Amino acid sequence: AQRVTQPEKLLSVFKGAPVELKCNYSYSGSPELFWYVQYSRQRLQLLLRHISRESIKGFTADLNKGETSFHLKKPFAQEEDSAMYYCALQAAGNKLTFGGGTRVLVKP
Amino acid sequence: GAGVSQSPSNKVTEKGKDVELRCDPISGHTALYWYRQSLGQGLEFLIYFQGNSAPDKSGLPSDRFSAERTGGSVSTLTIQRTQQEDSAVYLCASSRQRSRSSYNSPLHFGNGTRLTVT
Repeated sequence: AQRVTQPEKLLSVFKGAPVELKCNYSYSGSPELFWYVQYSRQRLQLLLRHISRESIKGFTADLNKGETSFHLKKPFAQEEDSAMYYCALQAAGNKLTFGGGTRVLVKP
Repeated sequence: GAGVSQSPSNKVTEKGKDVELRCDPISGHTALYWYRQSLGQGLEFLIYFQGNSAPDKSGLPSDRFSAERTGGSVSTLTIQRTQQEDSAVYLCASSRQRSRSSYNSPLHFGNGTRLTVT
């Protein structure tokens, strides 16, 4: 069975501070990992995926198969980063399983 | 091009009534998903279509919930005899079909239908 855990429901940081959103998964095979983001009054959208190995809006995420983690990081948070973030796992041809989500609030 | 379209955007219904929620996926996307988003519950998977067939309907909460997809395009999620606990935002998403040798395509989400059962 696929499972994604995001232990923090809320992360509150000051502008310019680093932010790290934790994501752990359980799956026996080789899944694909994603981070999706939902800004206020906008639709849920893809932020980044592990196979791309790229930085989007200053965010990066590294897949650690040993720790079964895919934590999302940004060194300097901005107010526009305030949003709901979901970690997600997808096995080959199967459904996308989401974690419970982490709300990020960046204070000025 | 046009994104995933869902209708209605808002639906208020009385307990016990049936409702139909519609999803128009992106043209050419053969995979279609329904999720439910509730306060404190995150994103709950309901059902997944590949073409017109549903290889995974394990997330449907009860037999009051059903979904169909016709012509490999539009999908309808039907909730019969609605209950107050059905109140949530119902999200639809679509993606391109993938082969087992390639990576999954990301999902494109609609704006959702906010269902309120009174």
